[in-house]
Amino acid sequence: DVKVTQSSRYLVKRTGEKVFLECVQDMDHENMFWYRQDPGLGLRLIYFSYDVKMKEKGDIPEGYSVSREKKERFSLILESASTNQTSMYLCATGQGRRETQYFGPGTRLLVL
Amino acid sequence: GEDVEQSLFLSVREGDSSVINCTYTDSSSTYLYWYKQEPGAGLQLLTYIFSNMDMKQDQRLTVLLNKKDKHLSLRIADTQTGDSAIYFCAESTKGSSASKIIFGSGTRLSIRP
Repeated sequence: DVKVTQSSRYLVKRTGEKVFLECVQDMDHENMFWYRQDPGLGLRLIYFSYDVKMKEKGDIPEGYSVSREKKERFSLILESASTNQTSMYLCATGQGRRETQYFGPGTRLLVL
Repeated sequence: GEDVEQSLFLSVREGDSSVINCTYTDSSSTYLYWYKQEPGAGLQLLTYIFSNMDMKQDQRLTVLLNKKDKHLSLRIADTQTGDSAIYFCAESTKGSSASKIIFGSGTRLSIRP
């Protein structure tokens, strides 16, 4: 079974803080993704990576950056957290023709 | 751009069939997916269909694809309380350097006794 873990289930941060969300997968998948999920908006892609040290902007990259130094780990960074970044953050991995994605349990971030 | 649309809520009686509908815009999608999200959890792949198929059945789940109308549906037979969840429709689409998956906003399925 694919296992995708995220560093925290719940996180509370203050406006202006730097926030790191980590995602680790154990299936040697090439592709990794960061989404945010908001009610009524579904999942929106922030960034994705299809190889180590490679990254590509998704649909809403503003205010975020990512790091992929090792194949199994994909980090999402909020350089200066703002209240509109309060959301559920989901990491996913994928590989293969079917492009099936496997999701972590999510991190619910509250920015005060 | 690519878009996937689905209604936000569906309520069905326990034991009835649930039908969740979805429309998409990218006619070149290779695969279409249904994901399930239970409370407090990430998304879990339920089933997928290749774009050259029009139906796929897997136990209580039936997926119908109408490629001409770009319409996808998920039918859950004999709906149970454990089926309460948010169901996401998604399509694969080619990005500039890699394939991406575009998700709908999710349909929250609730079960009435």
